[in-house]
Amino acid sequence: GESVGLHLPTLSVQEGDNSIINCAYSNSASDYFIWYKQESGKGPQFIIDIRSNMDKRQGQRVTVLLNKTVKHLSLQIAATQPGDSAVYFCAEGYAGTASKLTFGTGTRLQVTL
Amino acid sequence: DSGVTQTPKHLITATGQRVTLRCSPRSGDLSVYWYQQSLDQGLQFLIQYYNGEERAKGNILERFSAQQFPDLHSELNLSSLELGDSALYFCASSAGGGRSNSPLHFGNGTRLTVT
Repeated sequence: GESVGLHLPTLSVQEGDNSIINCAYSNSASDYFIWYKQESGKGPQFIIDIRSNMDKRQGQRVTVLLNKTVKHLSLQIAATQPGDSAVYFCAEGYAGTASKLTFGTGTRLQVTL
Repeated sequence: DSGVTQTPKHLITATGQRVTLRCSPRSGDLSVYWYQQSLDQGLQFLIQYYNGEERAKGNILERFSAQQFPDLHSELNLSSLELGDSALYFCASSAGGGRSNSPLHFGNGTRLTVT
């Protein structure tokens, strides 16, 4: 499949363990954040988003944590499964301006059996 | 499946040529966005259309242009192609006009190789 980056940081996690993927964002004025998952040969797939008036949001098996003080975003995946293997991107932007999303470089998650 | 359809999946062409990439947004989505993904620069926003009108421009070269048609499908035209234009080109759509937090839903992209 297509590679989305040859030098991505890689996180290796054993199946069943929890995964934590971190992202540092750059613009303190950003107030909207999104996580995407990109599998080989596919486009980015929306996972979860959060606005800056929240510090935590939960989805199905995923939790996003936002720390505005240190401009840090994390994605927690519970009970990681082989199907979670992918590249994960965070994106930052301004509420109401989806066209101005800035994507991070991505983290490759490898799930080992 | 995101509901966003892109064609073709792969495109190989020579330098100096012109190509057209096509995108059909999710049913009901009025906004279409084009992104370029290359190995060294990640996902870069090119341009957005909303209901047929250009809404926002990103790092789009003058050699590139896009349009959105009345049926809401969009085309990205790349001309005078250079080797450096080789990349994955993604289309995304959203329900809003970009002035909301409707998440973007991406197609599976067109891989362009310029030889």
